[in-house]
Amino acid sequence: SQQGEEDPQALSIQEGENATMNCSYKTSINNLQWYRQNSGRGLVHLILIRSNEREKHSGRLRVTLDTSKKSSSLLITASRAADTASYFCATDDNDMRFGAGTRLTVKP
Amino acid sequence: DTAVSQTPKYLVTQMGNDKSIKCEQNLGHDTMYWYKQDSKKFLKIMFSYNNKELIINETVPNRFSPKSPDKAHLNLHINSLELGDSAVYFCASTYSGKRNEQFFGPGTRLTVL
Repeated sequence: SQQGEEDPQALSIQEGENATMNCSYKTSINNLQWYRQNSGRGLVHLILIRSNEREKHSGRLRVTLDTSKKSSSLLITASRAADTASYFCATDDNDMRFGAGTRLTVKP
Repeated sequence: DTAVSQTPKYLVTQMGNDKSIKCEQNLGHDTMYWYKQDSKKFLKIMFSYNNKELIINETVPNRFSPKSPDKAHLNLHINSLELGDSAVYFCASTYSGKRNEQFFGPGTRLTVL
């Protein structure tokens, strides 16, 4: 089965800084999604980028996709303490597969 | 509120017991999933139902049996619980026309003692 694998495993930054997380995958995809999971809560869908797109924005989120390198990055600009969560990427082959996530801590 | 809900939120039980976790969605979706999140935070799909029909049945022990009485519900019954079953179980749903936008429940933390 195919999974997205996030990097780094953990990231700690100060409020106001930017946070960049990376995701790598192994086979061809139709789309890639990023999710956030707050402690004790369910996964929340953040953004979907299709294989024919290279960059997508949503508020303070910016996602890039490089299908030649089979990688994606999630940039959170001007981070806030409320952004503290685990972030997962997921790719589709037939159904969703998730990696272990990046644990982001934003210190106030 | 429109959402995917799971009950119970926490479940602590003894080895050998039989337990069920319930999932309900009121989003009008036609496809529902059960995922198991392991200690490394990997989410692994277990089952998927579309319009009450089983469409994905990954390699999980026969002790796990999903049941979908209607499109809005997908319950997970686990027989003869083992220590290794301890995990967080997530239910999710989606509309098959937009199959890859899944909405997740809050998770059920199962602890087997």
